[in-house]
Amino acid sequence: GDSVTQMEGPVTLSEEAFLTINCTYTATGYPSLFWYVQYPGEGLQLLLKATKADDKGSNKGFEATYRKETTSFHLEKGSVQVSDSAVYFCASLTGNQFYFGTGTSLTVIP
Amino acid sequence: GAGVSQSPSNKVTEKGKDVELRCDPISGHTALYWYRQSLGQGLEFLIYFQGNSAPDKSGLPSDRFSAERTGGSVSTLTIQRTQQEDSAVYLCASSLMLTSGAYEQYFGPGTRLTVT
Repeated sequence: GDSVTQMEGPVTLSEEAFLTINCTYTATGYPSLFWYVQYPGEGLQLLLKATKADDKGSNKGFEATYRKETTSFHLEKGSVQVSDSAVYFCASLTGNQFYFGTGTSLTVIP
Repeated sequence: GAGVSQSPSNKVTEKGKDVELRCDPISGHTALYWYRQSLGQGLEFLIYFQGNSAPDKSGLPSDRFSAERTGGSVSTLTIQRTQQEDSAVYLCASSLMLTSGAYEQYFGPGTRLTVT
């Protein structure tokens, strides 16, 4: 069945460091892909999405490119801020079914 | 506008008791999902409602779990004879299909259930 695997955390970075959180998926079809973020004490929020191969989703300085050949949707940000500290979830959508990764906790220290 | 709301925000119950968790989706959203998030785990799909169609119950872990969605809006997740392993955060999300065909889910803040 479909599934999403993402890099395990926790991840700790200094402010202005480069961030990569890996995410790969398995799917029987051609899923849409998402990154959600959960800030401390808050609910999950959509960060970005891509609906087809080679699409790049971007928001708040974060980017992820839908790579069909490697079945990946890695999240990147060139310069993280303390306010980016949160848990990040990769997800795929096939039909009406979402599949979520286990989440990666990111802490950015000043 | 108002987002997805859930109540209660926290619930502590004794093992063996029944609990009801409520979700108010965003007005006009046709799809509603329930998930369970256990400590250190990802989101576990429980049940999905779409319009007037029969719900997809494939994620419910046992027959102690059930859910209703009345009038295509508010949903209630019921857990009967709660067990300690039911302790988790229960998340509700609603969505409206976008023209691209990709749903964008909006999540509620969750209900933290603790079974003692």
